[in-house]
Amino acid sequence: QSVLTQPPSTSGTPGQRVTISCSGSSSNIGSNTVNWYQQVPGTAPKLLIYTNNQRPSGVPDRFSASKSGTSASLAISGLQSEDEADYYCATWDDSLNDVVFGGGTKLTVL
Amino acid sequence: QVQLVQSGAEVKKPGASVKVSCKASGYTFTSYAMHWVRQGPGQRLEWMGWINTGNGDTKYSQKLQGRVTITRDTSASTVYMELSSLRSEETAVYYCARNIVGTKVFDHWGQGTLVIVSS
Repeated sequence: QSVLTQPPSTSGTPGQRVTISCSGSSSNIGSNTVNWYQQVPGTAPKLLIYTNNQRPSGVPDRFSASKSGTSASLAISGLQSEDEADYYCATWDDSLNDVVFGGGTKLTVL
Repeated sequence: QVQLVQSGAEVKKPGASVKVSCKASGYTFTSYAMHWVRQGPGQRLEWMGWINTGNGDTKYSQKLQGRVTITRDTSASTVYMELSSLRSEETAVYYCARNIVGTKVFDHWGQGTLVIVSS
């Protein structure tokens, strides 16, 4: 059972906008910044968003994220087939003194 | 460019230990910390611990404390992760990941090392 809760799956059609939620608590999201990783099955995760809403160079601006209270969300607009992947939120947990990851959300592009 | 190249797949028996390496290149090794993250089949990512490659300080997840050891060889720009008393449920892909200074953000990842624990 993950400390951070994400929906197991979501889907959308090309061009659509989808959002993925990440719910935590005061000891993790509530007091630390959130990062998002994209993982195409069979490959290593890739940093997608850091410090709540910052995109590393090379990440398209179709990807955006936000944080409010003890929850965070990732939005993908103009959905493309290559966006089909697993998405993980992550942050530090002050109670566990560990980095914690969400359970991951599998995005299917129909 | 930044590269993290990990050692090859391993097959171990329950109770054995495994040591996985992660060789860094393309940046100043001691300027970035290194973390280890694992992922069981169809499972979420699980953080294992990290090392300050400059001074060797380490911190491990509470779950693995006592069984995991992370070390580094600065002359070889390589970080090692050793996990002892392996259990079958620890069959997973083990990743090293570089840490953006002052954060817990992993900006580059190794390709992963599959460790199979089976009798």
